[in-house]
Amino acid sequence: KNEVEQSPQNLTAQEGEFITINCSYSVGISALHWLQQHPGGGIVSLFMLSSGKKKHGRLIATINIQEKHSSLHITASHPRDSAVYICAVNPLPDGLTFGKGTHLIIQP
Amino acid sequence: DAGVIQSPRHEVTEMGQEVTLRCKPISGHDYLFWYRQTMMRGLELLIYFNNNVPIDDSGMPEDRFSAKMPNASFSTLKIQPSEPRDSAVYFCASSLRPRGYNEQFFGPGTRLTVL
Repeated sequence: KNEVEQSPQNLTAQEGEFITINCSYSVGISALHWLQQHPGGGIVSLFMLSSGKKKHGRLIATINIQEKHSSLHITASHPRDSAVYICAVNPLPDGLTFGKGTHLIIQP
Repeated sequence: DAGVIQSPRHEVTEMGQEVTLRCKPISGHDYLFWYRQTMMRGLELLIYFNNNVPIDDSGMPEDRFSAKMPNASFSTLKIQPSEPRDSAVYFCASSLRPRGYNEQFFGPGTRLTVL
C-alpha cells in the first residue's frame, strides 16, 4: 500500500465548477505539500501545510493531522487549471514521499 | 534569480553509455534534491544535499547512480552504465531550509531516454 494515496486519479470537469482533490497518508509527517505539474512538465509548489488551512487566489488547501488527510480545492475552475496535482509528505524522521497525482482537465 | 537550472533538457543515449545530468540551484539555497519521475512509480526522491554534503542517498537505485555537489552552485547526477529502465524525467530542486519547513523550487527537468 502506498504511503500517500490521492483521489481521484483522473477528474474532468466543466469550467466554473468547484474542484476537490483528496490526499490521505499513513505515516507521521512534519509537513504536507501540494504541487502542480503542467503538461509541459514543470513542477510548481502550491502549498506547504503543517496544520489548518491556506488560501492562495482560487486555491485552498486544508489538512487534518489527526485524520491524516488533506484536500486541495479549486473555486471557479478554469481551463488553465488543467494539470496534474501531486500531494507529497515529509514523513518522520526523513524522506519525501509523493502520491501518484490527480490528472485534472477543465473543459471550457 | 533565474530559478533552478538543469541541463540538458533532453538526453537520448544508448544503453551502456555514461550520462551526466547537471543542476544549478537558486543562489543562497542550501538544500538540493534530485528526483526521478516515471509513469510507473511517479516522483521519487533519489538523494539530497545540505551545504554540499549528501545527507540521504537511500533513494539512489543502485551503484550505477552517483551524485556530487562540488560547490554550492553546481550538482551532477551521473549514471554509468545507463540502461533502458533509467529512462525518466529527472528533476532537481532547491530550498532555503529543510524540507518540511520551506517550499522547494523545481528545475524544468531533464528527460532522459536510454535506447
